[in-house]
This record gives sequence, C-alpha cells and structure tokens, in this order.
Amino acid sequence: EPEVTQTPSHQVTQMGQEVILRCVPISNHLYFYWYRQILGQKVEFLVSFYNNEISEKSEIFDDQFSVERPDGSNFTLKIRSTKLEDSAMYFCASSATQGVRGEQYFGPGTRLTVT
Amino acid sequence: AQSVTQPDIHITVSEGASLELRCNYSYGATPYLFWYVQSPGQGLQLLLKYFSGDTLVQGIKGFEAEFKRSQSSFNLRKPSVHWSDAAEYFCAVGMKTSYDKVIFGPGTSLSVIP
Repeated sequence: EPEVTQTPSHQVTQMGQEVILRCVPISNHLYFYWYRQILGQKVEFLVSFYNNEISEKSEIFDDQFSVERPDGSNFTLKIRSTKLEDSAMYFCASSATQGVRGEQYFGPGTRLTVT
Repeated sequence: AQSVTQPDIHITVSEGASLELRCNYSYGATPYLFWYVQSPGQGLQLLLKYFSGDTLVQGIKGFEAEFKRSQSSFNLRKPSVHWSDAAEYFCAVGMKTSYDKVIFGPGTSLSVIP
C-alpha cells in the first residue's frame, strides 16, 4: 500500500540553525500539507501546497517557515532560524483531491528537537 | 472561535469490552467531521468521516461514529475492543469556510487490558 514517508525520523539542532524536513508524498497525489504537534498538545495545521504554491497557511506559518517541492517526489519544510518553541513532531500529509473532503494520508512524522 | 474538545484524556478498557470516545465541537455550522488514530511511531490514520447524510457512519477496524447536531457531538464507538486498538485517537473538524485546514482535538489515549 502506498504511504507517505518522512526523513529524518528525529532531528536535533541548535537554536538559530536552519533545518529542512523532508517528505515523499504518495506518488499520484497533488495536494500536500504540513502539520505539527508540540509534545502534549494538539496537532496543528501549518500549511497546504498545490501546484507549486501555498494554498492556505495558519498563523503559525510565519516568515521563518517555507515549503518547497524541489523535484517531482519530495516536499520539504524549511525553518530558517529555529527557536526552542519549534521543538515538535512535524507531520507531512498528501491527498489526491483538494480540501478537507479529500482524505489526507499522513506520514510517521519527524521529531524536531531544538536545543 | 472553532474548537474541538475531547473530554477524556485517557481511557482504559478491558479487551472485549465496548468503547465510546467523546468528541464535541464548537462551530457555527455543521463542519466536516473526522476521527483519526495514531499508533506509537506511526502517522495519523483516518478511521471515518462525516460530511452529510446518515448520521451514523461506519469506518475501518470495526469503528463507527454518530453525529448529533443538537449536542454538537461526534462520538466514536466500537462494540468489542481488541488489544491492537490501543492508540491515541483524535477527533477533527474541517471547516466549510476553509479549503484545507483541519482542526484537531487534543486526543484521547486508549489503553486495553488483556
């Protein structure tokens, strides 16, 4: 069964450093998403992406964040200058159709620890 | 503001017992409703969803959920729990005013006693 994969599974970085989290969505999907879950808190929507541009973003997704589909298979989330409060589990998701009616398939997540 | 609440942080049930996980939402209209499950080390998996129509929806793994408009609830049920059902369960809503944004509840952790 096709699945969303994410690398690395765990990333440790120092405050102020840039990190790139990578995702490989399901191959025929066209809509991509990032969510995060701070330890002990809710899963929060960050951004959706389609046709090489952001469709929607939350208030969390500020100028420190960016997303990119650098090639036909990867979808990345970049945090330019990490803060302690960026420590969280980051989930990538993809769907074949747009919008909340389309089932989003989630990856296993990348745990980001900022020290 | 839109919100999703799951009153039970943690529930423990015996294998074979019935299960009900509660979910309430706050939203001006009927949203799209979802239940996701997250097993340790795994991503979120969609159990079932409600958009409109029959208020009792069937999902995977023997789960069902009932939408009650008058109570703004979407409770998840299973008649007989298996040890493999131990996981974190998230209720979520999708707003009709937003294309993509899904709002998650805080989750309920389910433990199953053999």
